[in-house]
Amino acid sequence: DIQMTQSPSTLSASVGDRVTITCRASQSISIWLAWYQQKPGKAPKLLIYKASTLESGVPSRFSGSRSGTEFTLTISSLQPDDFATYYCQQYNSYSYSFGQGTKLEIK
Amino acid sequence: DVQLVESGGGLVQPGGSLKLSCGASGFTFSDSAVHWVRQASGKGLEWVGRVRSKLNDYETAYTASVKGRFTVSRDDSKNTAYLQMNSLKSEDTAVYYCTRLDPSKGFDPWGQGILVTVSS
Repeated sequence: DIQMTQSPSTLSASVGDRVTITCRASQSISIWLAWYQQKPGKAPKLLIYKASTLESGVPSRFSGSRSGTEFTLTISSLQPDDFATYYCQQYNSYSYSFGQGTKLEIK
Repeated sequence: DVQLVESGGGLVQPGGSLKLSCGASGFTFSDSAVHWVRQASGKGLEWVGRVRSKLNDYETAYTASVKGRFTVSRDDSKNTAYLQMNSLKSEDTAVYYCTRLDPSKGFDPWGQGILVTVSS
């Protein structure tokens, strides 16, 4: 099974900061990686798919990139609504594994 | 609107059974694979299992910890998918989400989630 290693587990930042979350796959998943945002008590929300394609309606301050089996989610200028937990997920193959999650906290 | 709605959760004793339903609307349900994902309190997301479409012979797959105990199925005439959970354990306690796999986009949309508590 493919393992997804996400870091950091917690990130403290301020409004206006630029932040980056990283996810590494244990083997090649090509571009088949998605990023989700989850707020307490709510279902995950799709932000980015195919590693770097922004889902419709998602603010342009969110972006994704890929380098081999390493993927990054960047928020260019944090807004108050962005403080949440973020998950990466591979959908290249069975197990559809998620990263462990990154909780983005207000500093 | 594209929507998924779970139902059927609740409290069940260890060793018991429960069947969750996932009703779909706003898209061609019969063409879509349906997946179940769970989240224990304060923990991350865990993929549970899935059922593919008729085009893919309704193929199912499961994570190792539920294989042989959980069964995913669907009734395309009712636009509904199911998760039958047998021999439940305390570690199955979680919020269960159903979601659709868009092969190019990943999991979207998601249901609102339904709580399953396994306790005596």
